[in-house]
Amino acid sequence: QLQLQESGPGLMKPSETLSLTCTVSGGSTSSSSYSWGWIRQPPGKGLEWIGTIYYSGSTDYNPSLKSRVTVSVDTSKNQFSLKLNSVTAADTAVYFCASARNYYDTRRRSTVTDAFDIWGQGTMVTVSS
Amino acid sequence: DIQMTQSPSSLSASVGDRVTITCRASQDIRYVLGWYQQKPGKAPKRLIYAASSLQSGVPSRFSGSGSGTEFTLTITSLQPEDFATYYCLQYYSYPLTFGGGTKVEIK
Repeated sequence: QLQLQESGPGLMKPSETLSLTCTVSGGSTSSSSYSWGWIRQPPGKGLEWIGTIYYSGSTDYNPSLKSRVTVSVDTSKNQFSLKLNSVTAADTAVYFCASARNYYDTRRRSTVTDAFDIWGQGTMVTVSS
Repeated sequence: DIQMTQSPSSLSASVGDRVTITCRASQDIRYVLGWYQQKPGKAPKRLIYAASSLQSGVPSRFSGSGSGTEFTLTITSLQPEDFATYYCLQYYSYPLTFGGGTKVEIK
């Protein structure tokens, strides 16, 4: 069974670069069966999708964060990562990594990515001076 | 971007009640919608995918319906462990967008 675990700094200062890693077990980041994503949740608020990386290595990002975000995969370590530049207090949130299955949708007649089904436990990141 | 409007934002219900939560999409997303349950301090758990497909291991009292722009999550006979916040997610097009959430509280 696929399992995900986030790691990274708990406390950061404004203008720094946030780096988070998600370690995958029970599956492979090089598998064409999965896409990998990041979602965040500010304290007391709802969920915000950050970005997704696909088997091909291509990525999609939330336009609201696109200029500051990079998602990448390290297949040698079976990990994928999030980098967010120039953080501010508004980036304070719990950050989740998640996986989504790729499958052939007969109705849409194409290979698509499913809704995230496996999530890490989340890691709290606080940005404060 | 596709906006997902979820209602109500909160509700109070009793054990055994039938609960309905609605998500409306700002444009046609066909059936490409998921529902999640989140408890405090925990990651979201997928309940429903493709609008009406029940996630393996999820109790059958949860069901999803709808297509196009209007979707519903129904919990028949609410159980104590169902008190949580529920979110919808459209994954039809990017950027992926979540509804604002519905907090289900004990009456």
